[in-house]
Amino acid sequence: SQKIEQNSEALNIQEGKTATLTCNYTNYSPAYLQWYRQDPGRGPVFLLLIRENEKEKRKERLKVTFDTTLKQSLFHITASQPADSATYLCALDMYSGGGADGLTFGKGTHLIIQP
Amino acid sequence: DAMVIQNPRYQVTQFGKPVTLSCSQTLNHNVMYWYQQKSSQAPKLLFHYYDKDFNNEADTPDNFQSRRPNTSFCFLDIRSPGLGDAAMYLCATSRGTGGRNTEAFFGQGTRLTVV
Repeated sequence: SQKIEQNSEALNIQEGKTATLTCNYTNYSPAYLQWYRQDPGRGPVFLLLIRENEKEKRKERLKVTFDTTLKQSLFHITASQPADSATYLCALDMYSGGGADGLTFGKGTHLIIQP
Repeated sequence: DAMVIQNPRYQVTQFGKPVTLSCSQTLNHNVMYWYQQKSSQAPKLLFHYYDKDFNNEADTPDNFQSRRPNTSFCFLDIRSPGLGDAAMYLCATSRGTGGRNTEAFFGQGTRLTVV
C-alpha cells in the first residue's frame, strides 16, 4: 500500500540551530512533493514545492531536497527561531495521466524551537 | 485578505442530523478539495473537483457528499453525522494545469462537533 512517513514525534531543536525534517514514501511515484506548515487550529500553509526532476529548492531560511531514488525528501530550516515552532507536513502530488489527483499528506512532524 | 473562506469556523450538530459546511474562494482556482483532519493525524482527502469533474476517494464513506455549483463555491454535506465524524474539515484550492497541481491554498477549517 502507498505510505508517507514523517517523524511524528516532536522534534526539539535549540534556537539558532538547523532543524532537519524527513519525509519518506513508499509505492508512490510523485510528480511533485510539497511542504506545508500547520499551526494549531488552523489550515496548512504552503511553504515549498519541488518537482521530480529537481534535487534542491531554497526559499529564505528553508531548503528542501528530493531524492526519487531513496524516495525521500529532507526539509531544513536554518537559523531556527521559536516562531518556527509548528507542525510541518509533507504532501505528494500524484499525477495519474488524467485529471490531477489530490494531495496526499503525511502525519507531520511537530517541531519545537527552544530559546 | 482571506482567499479561501470556510463557514462556519465551528459547527455543533446533533448525531444523525444533516449538516452542510461551506467553502468559497476568490482565487478562481479550478481545483477544490475537501479534507478531514482528526487530532494528530494527517489531513485525509475526501474528494476533489478538477474543474467540474468530481473525484471521490475510494474510502470516503457514502455519508459524505459534495456539491460545487460554480467555480467559487463548494459544499460538504454530511447526511447523518456520527460521533466518529467529529473533526476539522479543511477546504483547499489549487490551480491545476495539464493534470498537475500547483500549491494548495487552505481555508481556516471548520471544527465539527457531534453531540
